[in-house]
Amino acid sequence: DTGVSQNPRHKITKRGQNVTFRCDPISEHNRLYWYRQTLGQGPEFLTYFQNEAQLEKSRLLSDRFSAERPKGSFSTLEIQRTEQGDSAMYLCASSLGEGGQQPQHFGDGTRLSIL
Amino acid sequence: QKEVEQNSGPLSVPEGAIASLNCTYSDRGSQSFFWYRQYSGKSPELIMFIYSNGDKEDGRFTAQLNKASQYVSLLIRDSQPSDSATYLCAVFQGGKLIFGQGTELSVKP
Repeated sequence: DTGVSQNPRHKITKRGQNVTFRCDPISEHNRLYWYRQTLGQGPEFLTYFQNEAQLEKSRLLSDRFSAERPKGSFSTLEIQRTEQGDSAMYLCASSLGEGGQQPQHFGDGTRLSIL
Repeated sequence: QKEVEQNSGPLSVPEGAIASLNCTYSDRGSQSFFWYRQYSGKSPELIMFIYSNGDKEDGRFTAQLNKASQYVSLLIRDSQPSDSATYLCAVFQGGKLIFGQGTELSVKP
């Protein structure tokens, strides 16, 4: 049973560039979540999918952020026109069914640094 | 008022002692509660979860839930230096986890 896989592990880019992160969930998990974590804080929810349907995106930080899960398997998170404040750890998690009864398992994260 | 609150610590305990980590939440309708451990630079790792009032034990860990007081705690018995990490409390609300800011635990040999 492989865990949640995220790529890349680290991304360094200049302000104003677009970045895309990928998350491959645990194979049988139908729910996929994106969180952001800054230093000294707990993870902050961004969006989640059940299969290919995006069930909530109101917590995406701005319209520069978007996420997709086109075939209900892997997901991508894109940030357009990056800003200094986007520097953070971006975490993906997956669960089998509704997360209230099924715990979420996290990947190793993608650390984004904006120069 | 924050949705999920934890003391940020650091909490320092000697090796072999009991570490007690506390969490309060604001949404009285919350049903599911999770404890994650996070080592520096790593991702959160699930320790245990609890749905019902009372205690739930798993090895050296015991989670306690009191829904009337909107309070969740995690006890770590026989603390080891390897338990030194940040412990995150999370509450499941509306399809997602809401996390506290985490409590840093340091276990001194």
